[in-house]
Amino acid sequence: SYELTQPPSVSVSPGQTARITCSGDELPKKYAYWYQQKSGQAPVLVIFEDRHRPSGIPERFSGSNSGTMATLTISGAHVEDEADYYCYSTDSSGNLEVFGGGTKLTVL
Amino acid sequence: EVQLVESGGGLVQPGGSLRVSCAASGFSFRSYWMSWVRQAPGKGLEWVANIKQDGSEKYYVDSVKGRFTISRDNAKKSLFLQMNSLRAEDTAVYYCARPSAFDREGGYWGRGTLVTVSS
Repeated sequence: SYELTQPPSVSVSPGQTARITCSGDELPKKYAYWYQQKSGQAPVLVIFEDRHRPSGIPERFSGSNSGTMATLTISGAHVEDEADYYCYSTDSSGNLEVFGGGTKLTVL
Repeated sequence: EVQLVESGGGLVQPGGSLRVSCAASGFSFRSYWMSWVRQAPGKGLEWVANIKQDGSEKYYVDSVKGRFTISRDNAKKSLFLQMNSLRAEDTAVYYCARPSAFDREGGYWGRGTLVTVSS
């Protein structure tokens, strides 16, 4: 089955740039999406179709997708950005959805 | 405003059955693919199943094939997940979602309903 691979954890100081990667063989052909999940809450979409931000998501969140790797960048991370982040995409058929294992972002 | 509200979770014994539901509002339910996603305690997100607008196509993660059935009632704006032969490893919060991969305005989730499989 298709897999998306993320680092388990990333740590930055407030104001620094955080980068979270996601690798998958189908990413050259399929869009990547990113979800933020804070403790005890439902996930929130922060990036769709590789690089677009839904309304209400701060400009410091950006995304890119090149080759087999997608990247979520948080420029000037805030303490409130501390959360688990999941990449998401589909398999080659476009019908089966898949999540990466998640990355715990620590901002302190 | 898009709203997805899950219900029907609870405690069930191994080998038992449970049906969880999702009530949708604030959008044209019949026009969108819908999905179920679960999250075991302390673990990551796992996609479980999805269903096409008219119910003609359904897809499942391998671990639930033959045990879970996704369905929908467009007239009642409702999504369902029938879970049979439940195992301890099915214990999770089950989220109803309008998947972002199938529409660029998607990415909506409910708050989830907890299913606990234990004797």
